[in-house]
Amino acid sequence: QVTLKESGPALVKPTQTLTLTCSFSGFSLSTSGMRVSWIRQPPGKAPEWLARIDWDDDKFYSTSLKTRLTISKDTSKNQVVLTMTNMDPVDTATYYCARVHKHDYFYYFDFWGQGTLVTVSS
Amino acid sequence: DIQMTQSPSSLSASVGDRVTITCRASQSISIYLNWYQQKVGKAPNLLIYAASSLQSGVPSRFSGSGSGTDFTLTISSLQPEDFATYYCQQSYSTPPMYTFGQGTKLEIK
Repeated sequence: QVTLKESGPALVKPTQTLTLTCSFSGFSLSTSGMRVSWIRQPPGKAPEWLARIDWDDDKFYSTSLKTRLTISKDTSKNQVVLTMTNMDPVDTATYYCARVHKHDYFYYFDFWGQGTLVTVSS
Repeated sequence: DIQMTQSPSSLSASVGDRVTITCRASQSISIYLNWYQQKVGKAPNLLIYAASSLQSGVPSRFSGSGSGTDFTLTISSLQPEDFATYYCQQSYSTPPMYTFGQGTKLEIK
């Protein structure tokens, strides 16, 4: 079955760079059509999509955050890594990775990790 | 970017009630609209994709409709486990810029 799990620091200081790892099983990012996204959710607020990486190494970023984000994959380890630079307290959120499924022309997040809470504070 | 607006922001209802949640897009998104349910402390869970297609394993009391800018999620007969927050999300944008609505919290009356 498909599972995803996020890992990374629970606390980062302002201006630091955040690095998060999504470890997944049940599918491979070397398989045509596979895609993984990162999504975050500040406490009490709606989810916000951050980035997506595809099996062919295409990468897409949120227009408002693209200057701070980098997404990459390690196919041999079944991992996707997200880095976010210049962290600020407003970036405090639960960060999720999710598989992006395409059915005909429609994309949706069909499997999610449990999320990891990242707090930005000095 | 396409903005998604849900109404109401919160809703109180009783077990057995029929409930409808609305989602409006800032521009036409055809039927590129998904619905998720989120329970406290858990990740969102996909209910509906392509505006009206029920995800495998989701109870048939959930249904979705709409196209263009206006969409609805209906729960035909509320069950205790349905009390949660619901989000719509568009996947129309190319290149992708997936956006979520602000959420509708469904509470027990």
